[in-house]
This record gives sequence, C-alpha cells and structure tokens, in this order.
Amino acid sequence: NAGVTQTPKFQVLKTGQSMTLQCAQDMNHNSMYWYRQDPGMGLRLIYYSASEGTTDKGEVPNGYNVSRLNKREFSLRLESAAPSQTSVYFCASSEVPGQSTDTQYFGPGTRLTVL
Amino acid sequence: AQKITQTQPGMFVQEKEAVTLDCTYDTSDPSYGLFWYKQPSSGEMIFLIYQGSYDQQNATEGRYSLNFQKARKSANLVISASQLGDSAMYFCAMREAPGGDYKLSFGAGTTVTVRA
Repeated sequence: NAGVTQTPKFQVLKTGQSMTLQCAQDMNHNSMYWYRQDPGMGLRLIYYSASEGTTDKGEVPNGYNVSRLNKREFSLRLESAAPSQTSVYFCASSEVPGQSTDTQYFGPGTRLTVL
Repeated sequence: AQKITQTQPGMFVQEKEAVTLDCTYDTSDPSYGLFWYKQPSSGEMIFLIYQGSYDQQNATEGRYSLNFQKARKSANLVISASQLGDSAMYFCAMREAPGGDYKLSFGAGTTVTVRA
C-alpha cells in the first residue's frame, strides 16, 4: 500500500521554465491537496480538490494551476517558474472533505529549486 | 492573525524522558480538529494524533498523548519515553468547521532533538 506518491522527488528549474508535479493516491480518498513548505514555516495550501472534477484555490495559488485527472491523480503545474517558487511541495489526500475530523495524509514531497 | 502558535522553535530531550510540545490555537468555530504531524529529516509528513473539539477525553496513540485544554485553547503534544528516532520537526495543525476551505492551518513547528 503506497499511500500518496509524488514525482519527481527533486527538480531544478531555470526562471521561466515550466513543469508539472505529479501526485497519486491509492487510498480511494475523495479529496486531494497541494501545499508548499518554505524554510522555518509550516505548510500553506496552494490548491485543493474536494472531489473528482472540482478544484479550488487555497491560500497561495498565484503562479500555479492544477488538474484533477481522476480520483487518484492530482497534478500541480508551474507555467513560468520564479525563484519565489523554490520550496518543498507536498501533496496530501483525505477521505471525507468538509469535516473537521478528516485526516490528511501526505506524500514524501518534491524539493524544487528555481534558479 | 496566526491560527496556530508553536512558541518553542527547538527543544532537547534526554533519551527515555518525556517531552511536551506546546501548541495554542485561535478559532471561533465550535467544531474543529487538531492534528500533530512529525517531519523527520527525510522530509515526509507523518500523521501522529488527532483531537476533536468535542472529544471529552484527551487523545492517546502509543507514546503520543495530547493534553487538550479547550478553555485555554491549547493542544500540547506529550511524547513519553523519548527515543532517538523521535528527533524531528513536529507540527501542530487545525482544521475548522465544515464548509471551510478544507485546509489545515499549520504552526511553524518545533524541532526536537533526542540526546543519547
């Protein structure tokens, strides 16, 4: 049981390049999330998908787009990378959105550096 | 306003001793959930323990327990019998009532170093 998987684990981009971070979960969860973690800070929500076919902005969506490809997969795209997007990106999933009891489970993270 | 405050940037604890990590939160919602996650140096986020706002008893999960003081809006994590493998960053997080934006609000974290 892999849980939440992310690819790639590491990536270096030049300013202006684009890339897509991939995330998949095998727990049959309804909701998926993308967070970023900057040094000395907790995680901040970029985008989320409460259910297949829906996506919504989180706290820091600028410069990103997402696609909920199917129930298992949720991708994050950087169209024109900027140094401010250097961060560690985490994907998470949860079973039942909209409830305070809903536990989110995280992938291993992608460490992205933008030069 | 900061929703989750973790005031201890770093702590040292002797192996086999207990350690308490502080977390205070700010919400006006009556229904919320509090979570603790562990992030070892390898980077993954590992779910440890959950406490619901309506739970009458403090949550426990193995060597982890949560000292939940609702009136003081605190949810401190207690790690008993510390092990070297407990060295990590620990994050407190909160999720508020249904209908919110589904996000977890995270604190800045506390780094725990266990000494042999």
